[in-house]
Amino acid sequence: ETGVTQTPRHLVMGMTNKKSLKCEQHLGHNAMYWYKQSAKKPLELMFVYNFKEQTENNSVPSRFSPECPNSSHLFLHLHTLQPEDSALYLCASSLSTGNSNQPQHFGDGTRLSIL
Amino acid sequence: EDQVTQSPEALRLQEGESSSLNCSYTVSGLRGLFWYRQDPGKGPEFLFTLYSAGEEKEKERLKATLTKKESFLHITAPKPEDSATYLCAGGGSQGNLIFGKGTKLSVKP
Repeated sequence: ETGVTQTPRHLVMGMTNKKSLKCEQHLGHNAMYWYKQSAKKPLELMFVYNFKEQTENNSVPSRFSPECPNSSHLFLHLHTLQPEDSALYLCASSLSTGNSNQPQHFGDGTRLSIL
Repeated sequence: EDQVTQSPEALRLQEGESSSLNCSYTVSGLRGLFWYRQDPGKGPEFLFTLYSAGEEKEKERLKATLTKKESFLHITAPKPEDSATYLCAGGGSQGNLIFGKGTKLSVKP
């Protein structure tokens, strides 16, 4: 158990569907992150939230919409995705995004397949 | 541009055969060098953070070291259960992590 739980673990959706990914952390952290992991590529940072405020949007297309209602929960809303969006989506949390970088702790991800 | 490069891309070892993984970085205002282990179907698992050149950290058969340009993950007498992908990441000035592509380690009995 990493303390970061992601659901669902697997998701298959059509290009016109709308779905949401959920992340919950039980570590008492204040920062939460979404990453995309594709084969043969480094992890790509998508969004950062610190104390529920979005602090970074890494030029992510608008078909991905994050939501952070509190420091323990993070969502990624998906709509009209493209086949190239198929990947493993990882959620992470850390104490904060302050001056000193602290380790980020990851969930086991949602494997997303776009038909 | 901030960048982290890991080598080799893949490494096959016999059980007990020690080796090292390399992580070269160019990260402006580096705030920590992080090592993670990732097993298939799982998220990255945190191993070490190194903050300054000359620092070393150990955990079981793993030892991480840091210089001003690169980090090494030394694996001493590996076992099959050490097989995994090892990820290196540099901590950027905005609180973000810049990841390398990883080294896939296979240890054969």
